[in-house]
Amino acid sequence: DTAVSQTPKYLVTQMGNDKSIKCEQNLGHDTMYWYKQDSKKFLKIMFSYNNKELIINETVPNRFSPKSPDKAHLNLHINSLELGDSAVYFCASSPPGRPDYGYTFGSGTRLTVV
Amino acid sequence: KQEVTQIPAALSVPEGENLVLNCSFTDSAIYNLQWFRQDPGKGLTSLLLIQSSQREQTSGRLNASLDKSSGRSTLYIAASQPGDSATYLCASDGSGAGSYQLTFGKGTKLSVIP
Repeated sequence: DTAVSQTPKYLVTQMGNDKSIKCEQNLGHDTMYWYKQDSKKFLKIMFSYNNKELIINETVPNRFSPKSPDKAHLNLHINSLELGDSAVYFCASSPPGRPDYGYTFGSGTRLTVV
Repeated sequence: KQEVTQIPAALSVPEGENLVLNCSFTDSAIYNLQWFRQDPGKGLTSLLLIQSSQREQTSGRLNASLDKSSGRSTLYIAASQPGDSATYLCASDGSGAGSYQLTFGKGTKLSVIP
């Protein structure tokens, strides 16, 4: 199936730990994103990568570090996790230059920091 | 910076009613506008995408319109069904203005009562 897939789906961890979330898309899109959905369900951009290069970093703490080993993958590493990092994190992709083709989202990773 | 507002925040209707969800945006330099549906605890499902040059798009019982000059989009749902109950999100793509990201509204939570 063509899609954006994220792993893990659920992640429960203690404060202070370091964790990673992985994202892969097989749609051939050049641009990938990380979005955060907070407890009030508001979705906000964290990072955008175009062809493995960072193009948007929306005032995200530097404990969050995205890594794009290739166009099809965008991983999110989080250091020293805090209670406030608990949220649902969505990966997405889109093809630039195609206004007729929107964003495709993964199913989300629910991160709970205890 | 683009701001997207959705009204109402919540809506409850009896089954069979036609309904309209509203979305407004502050910057008319949009690439396209995308409507999503999110079921509780789930990811985002794309419903309709309207390119900036288009006025409306239809899919089954759904019709989305776009008026760039007034900064508005509406999602019309005909003959609502209990299965339509979900949160509906409107998002503008600012790629046309060099902003490679979707900006989301806070959503309208729809409940269709059998």
